[in-house]
Amino acid sequence: DVKVTQSSRYLVKRTGEKVFLECVQDMDHENMFWYRQDPGLGLRLIYFSYDVKMKEKGDIPEGYSVSREKKERFSLILESASTNQTSMYLCATNRVDNSPLHFGNGTRLTVT
Amino acid sequence: GQQLNQSPQSMFIQEGEDVSMNCTSSSIFNTWLWYKQEPGEGPVLLIALYKAGELTSNGRLTAQFGITRKDSFLNISASIPSDVGIYFCAGHDTGNQFYFGTGTSLTVIP
Repeated sequence: DVKVTQSSRYLVKRTGEKVFLECVQDMDHENMFWYRQDPGLGLRLIYFSYDVKMKEKGDIPEGYSVSREKKERFSLILESASTNQTSMYLCATNRVDNSPLHFGNGTRLTVT
Repeated sequence: GQQLNQSPQSMFIQEGEDVSMNCTSSSIFNTWLWYKQEPGEGPVLLIALYKAGELTSNGRLTAQFGITRKDSFLNISASIPSDVGIYFCAGHDTGNQFYFGTGTSLTVIP
């Protein structure tokens, strides 16, 4: 079974702080994704990566950056957290094109 | 990105009843996926469909890939209290992009 682990379940940060969300997968998947999930808006893609050191912008990359230094780890960075970044953040992976996404348990981030 | 049309938005049903929900898209997909998400948790894959017309079951769950490749439905038979959660569909195109429905919130009344 695929295991996608997000380092924190709940985070509370202050406006302006730099925030790191970590995601680790144990199945050697090439592709990794970061989504945010908000009521009424569904899942929106922030960034994705198809390989180590590779990253692509999704639909809402503003205010975020990512890092993929190792195949199993994909980090989402909020350079200067703002209240409108309060959300549920979901990491997901898949093995090759056309295989299903497997999600982590999510990180609920609150920015005050 | 495109958001899929999923209906109904919410359902309140008695334990033992059957449930049906569906998703439609303006685009053709190669894969349809159905997920369940419980409060505070990440989505869990229920069923994956890879071919137009395909009908696949997973226990009390049955899903079908529409023949137009633009729709899919999920049925849950004989619902039980632990079926409570949000169910959402996802479509996958040739560019390895995923598109998601807005979810169906299911409440099962014992």
